[in-house]
Amino acid sequence: EAGVVQSPRYKIIEKKQPVAFWCNPISGHNTLYWYRQNLGQGPELLIRYENEEAVDDSQLPKDRFSAERLKGVDSTLKIQPAELGDSAVYLCASSNPRGGTYEQYFGPGTRLTVT
Amino acid sequence: AQKVTQAQTEISVVEKEDVTLDCVYETRDTTYYLFWYKQPPSGELVFLIRRNSFDEQNEISGRYSWNFQKSTSSFNFTITASQVVDSAVYFCALRGGQGGKLIFGQGTELSVKP
Repeated sequence: EAGVVQSPRYKIIEKKQPVAFWCNPISGHNTLYWYRQNLGQGPELLIRYENEEAVDDSQLPKDRFSAERLKGVDSTLKIQPAELGDSAVYLCASSNPRGGTYEQYFGPGTRLTVT
Repeated sequence: AQKVTQAQTEISVVEKEDVTLDCVYETRDTTYYLFWYKQPPSGELVFLIRRNSFDEQNEISGRYSWNFQKSTSSFNFTITASQVVDSAVYFCALRGGQGGKLIFGQGTELSVKP
């Protein structure tokens, strides 16, 4: 079974530029999460989707961040415009609570560097 | 509020030593879930174990074992006979009974030297 796929793995942009990250969850997982991990810290949730619906976006900086999950499968996280403080690893995870388990499986992440 | 504390920032051991990673959590939920994840240098978080709040039975999986104690709000992780491949950052995480968000600790960086 394929794991969570993310692209790109690395991205370097200048501040004020836009950037987008893509995530394909594990097949059959209806719940998708985007986390941000700053250097030396644990991941922090940005947004959680149940199918197409964003059910928890309280930590998403909505002035510059946006996300979508069309058709309840793939998801895209966008930052526009990027700031220096957005440099971090952006992790996507998926889970299948209906299967009776609550483990979240993570992708390899996208390491963003804003210069 | 929910919180996870991993007081050990870095641990360094020599191969074959046993090592215990500490995790203390705070939650007001009566039902919750605890997790351990491993993050090797490649960066991907690897799921290791999940524990439900109503199941305090300790678990052993090969060289790994976990000690869950509700009385002290702790969920410690022990690696027996550590190996170089165990070198990674280990995260303890908490999920409340109602929401899917994982609350992570700061992580413990384990370095196992040959």
